[in-house]
Amino acid sequence: SQQGEEDPQALSIQEGENATMNCSYKTSINNLQWYRQNSGRGLVHLILIRSNEREKHSGRLRVTLDTSKKSSSLLITASRAADTASYFCATLSGSARQLTFGSGTQLTVLP
Amino acid sequence: EAGVAQSPRYKIIEKRQSVAFWCNPISGHATLYWYQQILGQGPKLLIQFQNNGVVDDSQLPKDRFSAERLKGVDSTLKIQPAKLEDSAVYLCASRRDTGDTQYFGPGTRLTVL
Repeated sequence: SQQGEEDPQALSIQEGENATMNCSYKTSINNLQWYRQNSGRGLVHLILIRSNEREKHSGRLRVTLDTSKKSSSLLITASRAADTASYFCATLSGSARQLTFGSGTQLTVLP
Repeated sequence: EAGVAQSPRYKIIEKRQSVAFWCNPISGHATLYWYQQILGQGPKLLIQFQNNGVVDDSQLPKDRFSAERLKGVDSTLKIQPAKLEDSAVYLCASRRDTGDTQYFGPGTRLTVL
C-alpha cells in the first residue's frame, strides 16, 4: 500500500517560476526522501531529510519536514524545462530500511 | 561507478505466458529490491534481498511471481503465468549497507496482451 499522498497530482508552471509539491504520510519514519522520474526512466534520488531535521537545501531544492503533521514539501526554485518529470516522496521506516512511495506529482515546466 | 543494469528494457507477451527480468546491482551493494510500478502510481515493493537471502517478500504474489539472487549479486524476477494486470514497469534498485539511498535501474516495461 502507498504510505504517502502527494499534492497536487499534476502541476504546470512557466520556466523560471518556483514549484512546490507536498507529501503527507501516515506512520512514524526514520527519514523521508524525494526522487525524480523522467518519462520511461528509473528513479533518481534527489534529497533525504531525517526525522530530526526540519529543513534541508541542495542546490535549487529545498525540503521541509513537519513530523507533527506528518507532511513534507519539496520546493524547486527557478524551474527549468529539464525539471519536467514526476516527483515522488518516499518514507523510510523499520529495521529492514524499506521505502514506501507516494503516488507522485507530475511537474511540467513550460519554456 | 556503473549504475544498476536491467534487461530487457521492454517486453510484450500474451496472457498466460511466462517472462523473466534480470537485474545487476551496483558492485558492492548487498541489498537489492524489486518494485512494480503501475502507470500513474508510485513504485510498490515486491521483494527485498540482503546478499542472497530474502528479507521481505510479503507483497510478492507467490502463486505467479518468483525471484532469486543465488550468488548474492545479480537477480532474476519471473512471472508465470502472466495476467493482464501485471502490465507495469518493473524496477530494480540496490543500496549499500551504510546508506539509505536506493539506486534504481532503468526498469523493464512489461505489456501483457
